[in-house]
Amino acid sequence: DTAVSQTPKYLVTQMGNDKSIKCEQNLGHDTMYWYKQDSKKFLKIMFSYNNKELIINETVPNRFSPKSPDKAHLNLHINSLELGDSAVYFCASSGYWTGGEISGNTIYFGEGSWLTVV
Amino acid sequence: GNSVTQMEGPVTLSEEAFLTINCTYTATGYPSLFWYVQYPGEGLQLLLKATKADDKGSNKGFEATYRKETTSFHLEKGSVQVSDSAVYFCALSNFNKFYFGSGTKLNVKP
Repeated sequence: DTAVSQTPKYLVTQMGNDKSIKCEQNLGHDTMYWYKQDSKKFLKIMFSYNNKELIINETVPNRFSPKSPDKAHLNLHINSLELGDSAVYFCASSGYWTGGEISGNTIYFGEGSWLTVV
Repeated sequence: GNSVTQMEGPVTLSEEAFLTINCTYTATGYPSLFWYVQYPGEGLQLLLKATKADDKGSNKGFEATYRKETTSFHLEKGSVQVSDSAVYFCALSNFNKFYFGSGTKLNVKP
């Protein structure tokens, strides 16, 4: 079973189009994220939702709009795509765990969605 | 504040060589530390983690020890394989937020 799954994996589209990327997690986590990875592999957080509420909204053009219908899903809609939006977009989820004296928060990533704008 | 600094790549090694990828961090409180690996065309996978000082995380022959005195979490492997070629990310979690290093690309040649 895939823990964090996102679709589509590859997306090639023209400038000006609107597209969506869907994400689902079956880990029972309360928090989900969208990250953008550029060509140099640098990871930048875009959004974070906790139990369907937006908690992190970094400086991202308002053409990007996340939507969380429930805590297991976080979709990303992008309007009026531009060449600079070409990147890999990762969905992720995190959960807090405890095990005896040990506890912590761990983040798990989806496989990524490779977006190419032409 | 919280931040992670890791050595710039690429790192190029021959098969069976010893690997070290340096990672240092800045954090308040008691963060958890992680290494993630990203194989070509794939997402980031959790490689190992450590939750408190002196803990050693290990997986697939990789190890890293949480050193609070030097604020470091260096990744090591005794004998790398071609299949270890990937990008490695050091990360920390603190107060339910995650911070990632810039990634280090490892190339292992046969």
